[in-house]
Amino acid sequence: NAGVTQTPKFQVLKTGQSMTLQCAQDMNHNSMYWYRQDPGMGLRLIYYSASEGTTDKGEVPNGYNVSRLNKREFSLRLESAAPSQTSVYFCASPKSGRGLYNEQFFGPGTRLTVL
Amino acid sequence: ILNVEQSPQSLHVQEGDSTNFTCSFPSSNFYALHWYRWETAKSPEALFVMTLNGDEKKKGRISATLNTKEGYSYLYIKGSQPEDSATYLCAFRNRAPYAGGTSYGKLTFGQGTILTVHP
Repeated sequence: NAGVTQTPKFQVLKTGQSMTLQCAQDMNHNSMYWYRQDPGMGLRLIYYSASEGTTDKGEVPNGYNVSRLNKREFSLRLESAAPSQTSVYFCASPKSGRGLYNEQFFGPGTRLTVL
Repeated sequence: ILNVEQSPQSLHVQEGDSTNFTCSFPSSNFYALHWYRWETAKSPEALFVMTLNGDEKKKGRISATLNTKEGYSYLYIKGSQPEDSATYLCAFRNRAPYAGGTSYGKLTFGQGTILTVHP
């Protein structure tokens, strides 16, 4: 089992360019999350998907869109990248269900720089 | 937005020292408190999930305690080693509405404590 995988690992964009970050999990979990990590700010939730076919905004959704393509895949799209979106992006998938407390399994991260 | 604070922001210790740091979280509507260890260039990995007031968890030289009434958790490392150098994150989860019997409450992360252990 690969757990949670993300592509790409690194990306440099110019302001205004678009790109999609891909995430997949092979753990048969229902929920998937996208976080961004910035120095001194911990992990902040961008969007999440509680189950296939549903998506919801997190704490910092502006400038992003998501697609829950199927149970395995959850993509994050930047339509018009801005320097403020320079960050490290983590996809995560929790063990969910009664008594499992949403322990998160994280992907390896995507380091994005917007010039 | 829930307020989850960690202190100190960074910590430098010598090999063999014992150390501890704090996670503060809202004391109402508590559901669970998570600790993660995050090494540079790797993904965060779960250390503990704590759910009951007075909980104590231990994994090797690392242990954690939980006080839900006053809203804090301590993480202790006994006899620090250079390989303990990492960012330690806590994450708070409050009670969320149940849908179909499955809770999907979200985690709110603290900003992390960066630990550096010098040989």
